[in-house]
This record gives sequence, structure tokens and C-alpha cells, in this order.
Amino acid sequence: AQRVTQPEKLLSVFKGAPVELKCNYSYSGSPELFWYVQYSRQRLQLLLRHISRESIKGFTADLNKGETSFHLKKPFAQEEDSAMYYCALRVSFGAGTTVTVRA
Amino acid sequence: EAQVTQNPRYLITVTGKKLTVTCSQNMNHEYMSWYRQDPGLGLRQIYYSMNVEVTDKGDVPEGYKVSRKEKRNFPLILESPSPNQTSLYFCASRLAGGPAEQYFGPGTRLTVT
Repeated sequence: AQRVTQPEKLLSVFKGAPVELKCNYSYSGSPELFWYVQYSRQRLQLLLRHISRESIKGFTADLNKGETSFHLKKPFAQEEDSAMYYCALRVSFGAGTTVTVRA
Repeated sequence: EAQVTQNPRYLITVTGKKLTVTCSQNMNHEYMSWYRQDPGLGLRQIYYSMNVEVTDKGDVPEGYKVSRKEKRNFPLILESPSPNQTSLYFCASRLAGGPAEQYFGPGTRLTVT
């Protein structure tokens, strides 16, 4: 069975500080992993996908198959990063992490 | 513009009164799905469809029905809504093959009293 775990429901950081959102998955096959972001009162939108290995809005995420993790990181958080972040394994989602970036 | 649309965006209804939330996409995606979003529980899949006339249950299908008569439309039907179905609902679509991301609708906030 597929399962996605995001252990932190809430994350509060200061502007300019690093931020890391944890995501662990369980899946026996080759995973398709995504990070989605939902800004206040907006629809979910794709932030990153593991296959692209790209940096979007300063965020990166590395797939670690040994630890079955796909953590999302940004070295310097900005106030506009305040949002809900979801990790997804294909079409299964974690519970989400609400990030608040304080000035 | 490529998009997923949902209607209505807001709906307040009473227990037992049948309702339908429509979803439409213009990207020719084979795969469509419905999710409900509840605080602390994240997004849970209700039903999905791999293509026209092919639908299947997700993680929380009880109390819901769907149909897929056309590729672009995937309505969600609540035959007899109950208060525990008060939630924020999202429709999504994606290409069926490969590591494709989902495109989401704007959401429908449903309140059942």
C-alpha cells in the first residue's frame, strides 16, 4: 500500500532562516513524488516533482530511496512562502504542513 | 487557458437533499479524481476515473457517487448529504501515463446542516 507521512502539521520560521519540510513514503515500486503548494484561498499547484530535479522558487527536494524520504528545503525562507505544503506519492497525499514565515 | 473548473464554489445545503458538484477540464486528460480536504487529515481521495466509463473508489468513497460519461466532465454526486460531508472538495486531472502532476480545480466549500 502507498502511504505518505508528513510529520509536522505546523512549521514556523523567521524570514531568512532555512526551512525543511519532511516527507516519508512507503511504496515498494519506483516512486513518483511531488510537492504541491496551496497559498491562502488558492487551488493546489505543483511546486516540484522528483524526476525534474529542479529548483522552483528556491525550493529543492531530494529523493532518498534508502530512507524513503523526499524532504523539501529552502535555504532562506521568505514571507511569501507562507502556505500549506503537501507531499504526494503519485495521487496519494500526506496530511500537509502549514508553513508560517515571520518577519 | 488550460484549467480545471468546478461549480458551485460554495454550497450550503440541508441533510438529505441530493446535490451535484460539477468538474470540467479542457486538457484532454484521461485521469480525473475527487478529493476532500479536512483540517489535520490533508487530501483524501474519494473517487477517481482512468477514462470514460471507468471509475473506481478512492480512500473515502462512502456517501458519494461519480460518473464519467465524457472525457472532460467528472461530476461528484451526494445522494443524501450528511453533516460529516461538510468539507472542501477538489477536483483534479492528469495525464494517465508517466510521472504526470495533477491539475486542481479551485475547490468547492460544502456545508451540510
